[in-house]
Order: sequence, then C-alpha cells, then structure tokens
Amino acid sequence: KAGVTQTPRYLIKTRGQQVTLSCSPISGHRSVSWYQQTPGQGLQFLFEYFSETQRNKGNFPGRFSGRQFSNSRSEMNVSTLELGDSALYLCASSLSPASSEQFFGPGTRLTVL
Amino acid sequence: GESVGLHLPTLSVQEGDNSIINCAYSNSASDYFIWYKQESGKGPQFIIDIRSNMDKRQGQRVTVLLNKTVKHLSLQIAATQPGDSAVYFCAENTLGSYIPTFGRGTSLIVHP
Repeated sequence: KAGVTQTPRYLIKTRGQQVTLSCSPISGHRSVSWYQQTPGQGLQFLFEYFSETQRNKGNFPGRFSGRQFSNSRSEMNVSTLELGDSALYLCASSLSPASSEQFFGPGTRLTVL
Repeated sequence: GESVGLHLPTLSVQEGDNSIINCAYSNSASDYFIWYKQESGKGPQFIIDIRSNMDKRQGQRVTVLLNKTVKHLSLQIAATQPGDSAVYFCAENTLGSYIPTFGRGTSLIVHP
C-alpha cells in the first residue's frame, strides 16, 4: 500500500510569508503527527492529530498550527515565517495514538529567505 | 526539559563488521524506546523498539540493548552492509504520552 505522502517536497518562501504543508497518511491510519527537523535541534515534535482533534502539542509558538480532515489528511500552517523556520517538516502516521510504530513521509524541505 | 542524546556523531565501519550505536537518556520515567534509520532524502524509518520491562530485543540483524541502571541503550547491527549507511537516532517516550523525544543522531558510514 502507498506510504505517507507529503506535498510539496520543496518550498522556498520569504520572511513574513505564510506556508501550508500537506500530509496524506497511510490508508487506514487515523493518527498524524508533525515534526520539525533541523541540523541544530534535531527532530522536534510539533503536534499530533487524531479524529480531527489536536491531542498533543510540542513547544512551538502559536505561528505553527495544524488541522486534520475527516479523511485523516492533515495540513500544517506556519504564519509570519522567520529564517529559523527553515527546516525539514516531517509527517508521520499511525493506526491510532496508541500505536507504537509511526510511519514517516519523505518530508517537505522549507527554505525561508 | 530532559533530553535524549547520542555519544558518537559519526561511526565508520567496514562492510561485514558489526556496528554499535549508543544512546543515553536522562528521563528516568521513559518506558519506551525506538530506534530509527534515516537515509538521505527520506523520512525516518522505524527499526526496532523496546519497552522498559525488557533489557534486550532482537530483530533481523539488529539488536537493541537497554540498561536502565545507567540510562543507556544501544543498537547493534550485525554484518553491516553498505545499505545500512544512514543516520540512526533513538527516541524515548513515556507510554501514554505519545510525545517522543529524539536524540540528535549518529551517522553510520559503511565502507565496502
């Protein structure tokens, strides 16, 4: 079956702009988590969605937000982009929040100029 | 907050050798640990996990060892192959939390 897909794969924005990233989980998976990966900070948890509800949120400013749709697809939005938001944004899906194994997508590489 | 870290940033081995990647954690409440492999241009891939009520778990060519006394876990890869070249990192979690904390990663380079 198809894996987790993320669009777009690459994105270049300028400071102050906003961006929306999309994630389609594996068919049947209802839990979606988002992570930010940078060379300096490594992989950091952003938020987790299940049944269209945000269940957990990491330590990120309110400029980072997300949502999940009824088909389990998820989007994350970053407003008022800063240079430090340049990162690889990863989405991971699992059957449910209780599932130990998450399946990651290839990520969206965001560059903020 | 508490963090998970790795001892070695880069590990170079010869094909066929066994590799050992180490990870230290500081949260004594952590009861679930996962090892991931991330190849260039790809997202992390689940390798193996272990719960705190175990001290060893084996998979295909991989073994994870957990030492709760010193808060240390390791990933052993047997007969390392060039395809094993990637960044490996550990993650810790508390069952019921679903908010994992990831280590910084170790780059494994396998020379043919």
